[in-house]
Amino acid sequence: DGGITQSPKYLFRKEGQNVTLSCEQNLNHDAMYWYRQDPGQGLRLIYYSQIVNDFQKGDIAEGYSVSREKKESFPLTVTSAQKNPTAFYLCASSIELSSGNTIYFGEGSWLTVV
Amino acid sequence: GESVGLHLPTLSVQEGDNSIINCAYSNSASDYFIWYKQESGKGPQFIIDIRSNMDKRQGQRVTVLLNKTVKHLSLQIAATQPGDSAVYFCAENPRTGGFKTIFGAGTRLFVKA
Repeated sequence: DGGITQSPKYLFRKEGQNVTLSCEQNLNHDAMYWYRQDPGQGLRLIYYSQIVNDFQKGDIAEGYSVSREKKESFPLTVTSAQKNPTAFYLCASSIELSSGNTIYFGEGSWLTVV
Repeated sequence: GESVGLHLPTLSVQEGDNSIINCAYSNSASDYFIWYKQESGKGPQFIIDIRSNMDKRQGQRVTVLLNKTVKHLSLQIAATQPGDSAVYFCAENPRTGGFKTIFGAGTRLFVKA
């Protein structure tokens, strides 16, 4: 079945550690996104990518990095510079990066700082 | 699993009743709107969408109404079932300013059996 796969589902990070969240999609979508979800708030955009080898900062990119070496894959690294990383992270994709395209989501990854 | 949206508005309905969830959107230039359902600990699922040239759209047991005059969107769920219990949030996609979708915080729906 087509969809977006995120892994791991749960991840624990120690202080000063970088961690990487995986996102793979087999929908043949050009655009991919990473969002952060905190309790009681709407989704906030971290990074987005229109096409392979291209990505742009979203609204809250500080402390995060991404790569887009393959169309199917858009991993997110949460660096030690991100001071409050505990959150639910959602990867998403759409056919293309333009207004009016539905964004579809993966099942999310929980990151907790220990 | 863990739940998101711990301080969201809540709506409690009896099983079998109809539910109406409301959303006020922010940008009068938005021309595409989506409703998502998010169960506890899971990613959001697409429910239904509507474009600004329409004021009503129906799906299976769901209807979305759009009132552009007051920038209001609603989701109606007919014959609400326990499996409908989740957080529901709307999203708006502005016509200008590119692609960025703006997501609401959501409403938590509880269905009482």
